[in-house]
Order: sequence, then structure tokens, then C-alpha cells
Amino acid sequence: GQQLNQSPQSMFIQEGEDVSMNCTSSSIFNTWLWYKQDPGEGPVLLIALYKAGELTSNGRLTAQFGITRKDSFLNISASIPSDVGIYFCAGRGNTGTASKLTFGTGTRLQVTL
Amino acid sequence: DTGVSQDPRHKITKRGQNVTFRCDPISEHNRLYWYRQTLGQGPEFLTYFQNEAQLEKSRLLSDRFSAERPKGSFSTLEIQRTEQGDSAMYLCASTDDSYGYTFGSGTRLTVV
Repeated sequence: GQQLNQSPQSMFIQEGEDVSMNCTSSSIFNTWLWYKQDPGEGPVLLIALYKAGELTSNGRLTAQFGITRKDSFLNISASIPSDVGIYFCAGRGNTGTASKLTFGTGTRLQVTL
Repeated sequence: DTGVSQDPRHKITKRGQNVTFRCDPISEHNRLYWYRQTLGQGPEFLTYFQNEAQLEKSRLLSDRFSAERPKGSFSTLEIQRTEQGDSAMYLCASTDDSYGYTFGSGTRLTVV
């Protein structure tokens, strides 16, 4: 099935550094979501974006919904060890309906002390 | 209600056997989804229910797969005649469409 393109695929950073990752699609989405997944667990929702151009923050996390509706980015400021995990973007096609999510390929984040 | 619950967490089965997984969504959520995730990939959509009605199925859902949500509450996903390629994490999610989707912890299936 279709998967969105996420970059980078993986990254090693030092504790305290800022992180940036992005997600691109060939299709337009009306909702973008960012999830974090720990090993052996299901994805946990971090941020939801509902409007093109929207910039939303959740603590140290900031995400933006691209103007073209084909991309989104996620920034993490001042990374800490518990930020380790795999981050997935997901797009949804129809606002207010129950259409399925299309996920990205994931960005694996590893933090060194 | 503490979230989406999936059972079992892990299942090892021999090739050719049938397996069934259960998902209990958040009680007020009327929409329930099944996704499959293989190693190194993001989750992929399998099927979706609104209440008890199965409204969409992915091409990934072969005729060996069947899902039900008989009373619009819990759901089951059955795989018949399992194959090694069925080994994956099977994730259930529910939503009331007001804010994202809540996923369960998944059932990891290993077919040997």
C-alpha cells in the first residue's frame, strides 16, 4: 500500500539538541497527524493538524501543516533521552469523516547523552 | 475506560493454523480500524467499521482474513490458514473523529 515519504530515516542526536523531520506526499491530505511509537507498543498521538498552514505546538514539539497540503514537518526542541523512538506522520483525506490514515515510513530517533 | 485494548499481545502459531485477535475500543468511539505493521514500516490500513457495519476493506485483506464487530463494540480479526507472510503487528484503533485516532498496543503475530 501507499506510504508517505519521511526524512530522515534515522538520526542520532545529542541530548539537548533540536530535531527536525518532515513528511511528503504525492496526494493532498486534509489532516496531518504525528505519532510516536516505542518498541512493542502502538503509536501514540503527538500532534494533530487540521488546516493548511497551521502551526501547532505541544510542549517541546512543534508541527506545521504545509500550504500545499502535501507535506508536514515536526520539530522537537531540547531533546531528552525519552524522545527515543520512531516518529510517524500520517495523512487523512477527508476532514470530518472517518477515512483511513496513510502513514509515513518513519523516522527513528536515537539520543546520545 | 483506559484506552484501546488488544488481546493477545503476542501469538505464535504454526503455518496453516487459524488465529483470532480481539480489540476493545474506547467505549464512546463508534469507529474502529485495523492496521497491519511489518518490521521497519508504518502501519497499513486493513479495514474499518462504523458501529457494526464494515465500510471499507483494503486490498491487503485477502479472503483468508475476516473481521467482525457484531454489536458495534469489540471487534475480532481472524486469519485462516496462516502463512509466514502474515507475521506482523496487528494494530487496532478507534476514534469518535473529534481528535485523531487512539491505537492499542497491538498483537504481534509470528507464524512459524
